[in-house]
Amino acid sequence: GQSLEQPSEVTAVEGAIVQINCTYQTSGFYGLSWYQQHDGGAPTFLSYNALDGLEETGRFSSFLSRSDSYGYLLLQELQMKDSASYFCAVREGTGGFKTIFGAGTRLFVKA
Amino acid sequence: DVKVTQSSRYLVKRTGEKVFLECVQDMDHENMFWYRQDPGLGLRLIYFSYDVKMKEKGDIPEGYSVSREKKERFSLILESASTNQTSMYLCASSLGLAGGGAQFFGPGTRLTVL
Repeated sequence: GQSLEQPSEVTAVEGAIVQINCTYQTSGFYGLSWYQQHDGGAPTFLSYNALDGLEETGRFSSFLSRSDSYGYLLLQELQMKDSASYFCAVREGTGGFKTIFGAGTRLFVKA
Repeated sequence: DVKVTQSSRYLVKRTGEKVFLECVQDMDHENMFWYRQDPGLGLRLIYFSYDVKMKEKGDIPEGYSVSREKKERFSLILESASTNQTSMYLCASSLGLAGGGAQFFGPGTRLTVL
């Protein structure tokens, strides 16, 4: 069956670096995405990896290893506003239109 | 900016009622999605549509149907609401394969079925 595994909670200190891992088991893999969701808000798109390697966007980076069915989101220079839930999501199926989300990782950033 | 709007932020319905949730996007996106979000379960795909009048089942379509008569509008229908359909419902749209298929979400509708 299809599944995505990510830690339920991560706590880190302001200014630190944190890595949120995601392993997946799906069919017809097209790419791995990451979304951020603040309490009471809608998910917002952060990044997408279709090929192996690291993609960097400002303080956030995302990595994919297709052979390991594994990816991670790296957040640097953590700020209090980064406290949120982070979801990995896989595009799969015929045409890659179907998206499956993980259960989410709640990140707590402490002062 | 992409804008996805949903007809209601909060909705309270009774068991057995027919419920319509409306979603409209203004960026001419081909693909639209309906998810429900429950604590600890993340977002679960109910239905998606990759073109007008086209629909595909997601992982949890039971008890739901959808309608897409116009490109900008995607409706979710609960034929006979039940208490286990109490949830946050999120609509999203995307350009498709372009841009990595980034999905843009509406603010959500919190539905309570009594």
